[in-house]
Amino acid sequence: QPVLTQSSSASASLGSSVKLTCTLSSGHSSYIIAWHQQQPGKAPRYLMKLEGSGSYNKGSGVPDRFSGSSSGADRYLTISNLQSEDEADYYCETWDSNTLFGGGTKLTVL
Amino acid sequence: EVQLVESGGGLVQPGGSLRLSCAASGFTFSSYWMSWVRQAPGKGLEWVANIKQDGSEKYYVDSVKGRFTISRDNAKNSLYLQMNSLRAEDTAVYYCARVEWEDHIGYWGQGTLVTVSS
Repeated sequence: QPVLTQSSSASASLGSSVKLTCTLSSGHSSYIIAWHQQQPGKAPRYLMKLEGSGSYNKGSGVPDRFSGSSSGADRYLTISNLQSEDEADYYCETWDSNTLFGGGTKLTVL
Repeated sequence: EVQLVESGGGLVQPGGSLRLSCAASGFTFSSYWMSWVRQAPGKGLEWVANIKQDGSEKYYVDSVKGRFTISRDNAKNSLYLQMNSLRAEDTAVYYCARVEWEDHIGYWGQGTLVTVSS
């Protein structure tokens, strides 16, 4: 089964951009992943599905500021023009009959 | 509009049982895999169980195998999680989720809190 690795924390300034990374374990670099956002005290929210080709499909209502890309086993979530409401935990997820989550990245907007 | 509403959480003693329910609306429930995901206080997301559209396939995280049972009633548009032999480490918010294209979660419920404590 694949393992998803995320940095535990990241920070960036209001109005800037940040790129979060989710890395698939060896032998699983072709896997599709999904990104989810969890704001403090709220349920997770689906952001997008991201393929190994870099093609992505966003959920309903997800702002244009959110985009995805891929390189090898790495899957990226880029947030442009950071807003205060983007301060949240971000999780990547993949599926292999079972569902697997990365450990999550806590994003702080400075 | 897709809606997933969990219920059934609460305080239960170690060794006790609880049954969670998830009422689905706004989509054809019988057409989707469904999941339960939990989150312990201050921790990350942990997948618990998946169930196929017709209930013929079920998958569980190792830590709940033999104790938890996922099920569904497509006629009632409802998903369930029967939790037996509960332990303190099962304390978490439990989320119901809809699986898209059999490869990722696309919708989440608001969650229900389960606390296992004496």
